[in-house]
Amino acid sequence: QVQLQESGPGLVKPSETLSLTCTVSGDSIRPFAWSWVRRPPGKGLEWLGYVSDSGYSNHNPSLNSRVSISVDTSNNLVSLNLYYVTAADTAVYYCARSGTGRNCFDHWGHGTLVIVSS
Amino acid sequence: EIVLTQSPDFQSVTPKEKVTITCRASQSVGNSLHWYQQKPDQSPKLLIKYTSQSISGVPSRFSGSGSGSGTDFTLNISSLEGEDIATYYCQQSSSLPITFGQGTRLEIK
Repeated sequence: QVQLQESGPGLVKPSETLSLTCTVSGDSIRPFAWSWVRRPPGKGLEWLGYVSDSGYSNHNPSLNSRVSISVDTSNNLVSLNLYYVTAADTAVYYCARSGTGRNCFDHWGHGTLVIVSS
Repeated sequence: EIVLTQSPDFQSVTPKEKVTITCRASQSVGNSLHWYQQKPDQSPKLLIKYTSQSISGVPSRFSGSGSGSGTDFTLNISSLEGEDIATYYCQQSSSLPITFGQGTRLEIK
């Protein structure tokens, strides 16, 4: 059974970079696509972007090119970098798996809360 | 960007009640519409994929349908159980960026 585990700092200062890692266990990174989704407090779900097993990525234009998503197939890791964060980026961040970049998400991590505050 | 609008935003429900949640897309998504359940402090769980396809392990009281237009979709819970109290989201994968509905929160009356 595949398991996804997000990890990273729980507190980030405004204007700095939010960096998270998703460790995939129980199955291979291939041949799947891996997305990051977040849920701000009191709000709904927002898709940030995805990366394929080949390294191709696509990001939500609403983030104004502040996001970078990459994959390390050797170590079964998926990474998220969100640059120049503000308080509006405070959210629970989830890693999620899909069959392709445009598909449903069949497995999710437990999520990690990131607070942006000085 | 395709906007998904769910209704209602909130519903107070009783056990064994039939519950219907709708999701309307701002343009056709074909059948690429999926439903999730999210309980407090848990991650979303896939309930229905591609409008009406069931997911292994999901109780049969959950079902999905579409009007055929590619814009109007429904999630039905045939007989609500207490464990179904959660927030439900629709999601489209027809075009990027992937988008979700705003969510429908169910609460016990």
